[in-house]
Amino acid sequence: GNSVTQMEGPVTLSEEAFLTINCTYTATGYPSLFWYVQYPGEGLQLLLKATKADDKGSNKGFEATYRKETTSFHLEKGSVQVSDSAVYFCALNQGGKLIFGQGTELSVKP
Amino acid sequence: GAGVSQSPSNKVTEKGKDVELRCDPISGHTALYWYRQSLGQGLEFLIYFQGNSAPDKSGLPSDRFSAERTGGSVSTLTIQRTQQEDSAVYLCASSLVSGGEETQYFGPGTRLLVL
Repeated sequence: GNSVTQMEGPVTLSEEAFLTINCTYTATGYPSLFWYVQYPGEGLQLLLKATKADDKGSNKGFEATYRKETTSFHLEKGSVQVSDSAVYFCALNQGGKLIFGQGTELSVKP
Repeated sequence: GAGVSQSPSNKVTEKGKDVELRCDPISGHTALYWYRQSLGQGLEFLIYFQGNSAPDKSGLPSDRFSAERTGGSVSTLTIQRTQQEDSAVYLCASSLVSGGEETQYFGPGTRLLVL
């Protein structure tokens, strides 16, 4: 069946460092792909999405490109802030329901 | 506008008791989803409703779990004869329609602890 694999955390970075969180997927066809973020004490929020191959989703300085050749949707940000500390979830949409990766905790130190 | 709301925010129950969790989706959203977030299993799909169609129950872990959606709006997730492994955060989400591209908007969750 479809699945999503993310790099394990926790990831600890200094402020202004470059961030990459790897996400790969296994799927039949070309599902829409999503990054959700969960800030401490808050609910899941959509960060960005891409609905077809080569699409780039972007929001709040974060970007991810839908790569069908490598079945990947890696999340990147050029300069992280302390306020980006959160748990990040990669997900694909399978027939209406979301299949999530295990989540990657990011901690940004000042 | 108002987001997805869930109640209660926290629930502590004894093993063997039944619990009901409530979800109010965003007004006008026709699709409603239930997920579970636990330490051991991560985020798992449980069930979803789309309009008047039969719900997709493929993620329910056992027949102790059931859900209904009344009037195409509010949904209740019921867990009968709760077990300790049911302890988790139960998340509800809604979207305008059910489709591959649709963004699902999540509620704050109900944290369930089974003693």
